[in-house]
Amino acid sequence: DAGVTQSPTHLIKTRGQHVTLRCSPISGHKSVSWYQQVLGQGPQFIFQYYEKEERGRGNFPDRFSARQFPNYSSELNVNALLLGDSALYLCASSPGTGMNTEAFFGQGTRLTVV
Amino acid sequence: QKEVEQNSGPLSVPEGAIASLNCTYSDRVSQSFFWYRQYSGKSPELIMSIYSNGDKEDGRFTAQLNKASQYVSLLIRDSQPSDSATYLCAVNKGAGNNRLAFGKGNQVVVIP
Repeated sequence: DAGVTQSPTHLIKTRGQHVTLRCSPISGHKSVSWYQQVLGQGPQFIFQYYEKEERGRGNFPDRFSARQFPNYSSELNVNALLLGDSALYLCASSPGTGMNTEAFFGQGTRLTVV
Repeated sequence: QKEVEQNSGPLSVPEGAIASLNCTYSDRVSQSFFWYRQYSGKSPELIMSIYSNGDKEDGRFTAQLNKASQYVSLLIRDSQPSDSATYLCAVNKGAGNNRLAFGKGNQVVVIP
């Protein structure tokens, strides 16, 4: 079975530009979460979607948005990129939103803003 | 106070020894706890989950949870060079979503 797939794997953008990152969850998983990981830190929660509805939002500016499609894949959009948005963006897939639900990460998208 | 704290610096252990990692969390309502392993330049990989007080063993890994003291630990027995990685502690507070709060991680270096 395919795991969580993210695209692209690497991306270089210029300040002020917009970026779209994509994620396909594990087959049968209905929940997708997005995390940002900067060097030397643990991942920080950005969004969670379940059945196409936003179920949680972390402490990120409105420049960050996301959506989930009927096939449960998801996009993360970031507008007006800043140098500080340079990070590894991780997508996590899980079957649902129950308390004891394990989350599995994709390989991530390394975003560099110059 | 951070939601999840992993305060130990890099941990160097000889091959075959036990590596011990600790994690504390601030929110008493936290219900589920996870350990992820992250190799340099890679994404986190789930290695253990624990939901009840006590110990949970899986191969060379043992997770320990003490909700009264709000700490979680991970023991790696018979450490191997392939265990050299950063280990991330994650806490899920539940409440209808599975938002994970992560610690900053502990680097483990296994010396052959």
